[in-house]
Amino acid sequence: SQQGEEDPQALSIQEGENATMNCSYKTSINNLQWYRQNSGRGLVHLILIRSNEREKHSGRLRVTLDTSKKSSSLLITASRAADTASYFCATEVEYGNKLVFGAGTILRVKS
Amino acid sequence: EPEVTQTPSHQVTQMGQEVILRCVPISNHLYFYWYRQILGQKVEFLVSFYNNEISEKSEIFDDQFSVERPDGSNFTLKIRSTKLEDSAMYFCASMRRTSGNTIYFGEGSWLTVV
Repeated sequence: SQQGEEDPQALSIQEGENATMNCSYKTSINNLQWYRQNSGRGLVHLILIRSNEREKHSGRLRVTLDTSKKSSSLLITASRAADTASYFCATEVEYGNKLVFGAGTILRVKS
Repeated sequence: EPEVTQTPSHQVTQMGQEVILRCVPISNHLYFYWYRQILGQKVEFLVSFYNNEISEKSEIFDDQFSVERPDGSNFTLKIRSTKLEDSAMYFCASMRRTSGNTIYFGEGSWLTVV
């Protein structure tokens, strides 16, 4: 698989439930960033986790990073209909300053 | 909050025509990028720009593409002779300083080549 692959590809949940999305990557990284994209819109930065960090929180978001497994997860707690969007992980590879994006997870939160 | 702004939001152009997409990065940022996203596909890196020169480019960024920072605020992407497969959303992005920082994206310019 390519750098920054998410699973599942699509996720449908009820409002109030938690949503978990996973991302795997192949090379050593400086950091991993999660972005949200509403249909046809721009990429909104959600959270950045550095390679020496294991967990980070921001509001209803919780991100974990396991560099030994080269994987990350994004948890959205108490989801809302407004969380419906595509979510992308993007890795900044070591010794670089560009981001490599995964294919994304399409999240649908039903009210 | 400062943001990256892009114009136009949507452009339709004839195949073979030249297109210039414009971006105003966040004012104190030093690294600038163009990415593209073909409909339904992943976001792909095109080029990064630092200190008035290209620092890295992808295989997609061939001779028909060029970037320029004509003044202290604008950052442009030119596609010299557009092809149907250039139809995509083009995102400009900027980062404040060296690696390890958040990269901020604009709302995108949707290019349709007919």
